[in-house]
Amino acid sequence: SSELTQDPAVSVALGQTVSITCQGDSLKNYFATWYQQKPGQAPVLVIYGKDRRPSGIPDRFSGSNSGNTGSLTISGAQAEDEAHYYCASRDTGGYHLLFGGGTRLTVL
Amino acid sequence: QVQLQESGPGLVKSSETLSLTCGVSGYFISSGLYWGWIRQSPGKGLEWIGSVFHNGDTYYNPSLRSRVNISVDTANNQFSLRVISVTAADTAFYYCARQILHNGYDFPDYWGQGTLVTVSS
Repeated sequence: SSELTQDPAVSVALGQTVSITCQGDSLKNYFATWYQQKPGQAPVLVIYGKDRRPSGIPDRFSGSNSGNTGSLTISGAQAEDEAHYYCASRDTGGYHLLFGGGTRLTVL
Repeated sequence: QVQLQESGPGLVKSSETLSLTCGVSGYFISSGLYWGWIRQSPGKGLEWIGSVFHNGDTYYNPSLRSRVNISVDTANNQFSLRVISVTAADTAFYYCARQILHNGYDFPDYWGQGTLVTVSS
């Protein structure tokens, strides 16, 4: 089994760019998937595969992967982007899904 | 538009069985894909529980495998979760989700709104 590690909290000034990272051995083989979760709501898929966005997700959200690290970048963060962000990937040791511990993003 | 809705008791006694059902609309489970359950203890992160394919094949989180069963009912376009011998540690928001396959693994794209299940002593 493996793990996905995220920084617990990150902050960004309104309109600036921020990257949220996710580290884990499984990311050497699989792209990270990213979810946004606001208080009291279910998670929402924002990035999957090689930087793909579901319909309705603003293009200020982008994803990248390098080595054992996946990154979610928000270019020009807005107040409504304040949320928890979770990465996910397949476990290298078996056919099941892992989630990172989550990063709380604060927009200042 | 794909929609999922969890249903089931919000309160379960310790040592008993937690049972939830997820009704799906806007997509036929029999068409394919995996259908999963994820939980989140209050104030904590997400934990994947397991998934079921439309033909009944399942795979589970190794940490929960001994206590979990997920089944599918294509006739009623729904799938279900059972967790036996629950404890306070099983108190959580339970989400059902459709899982799509992309780049080597499947992951949730559509989620239900979630339902809080509290385990009482």
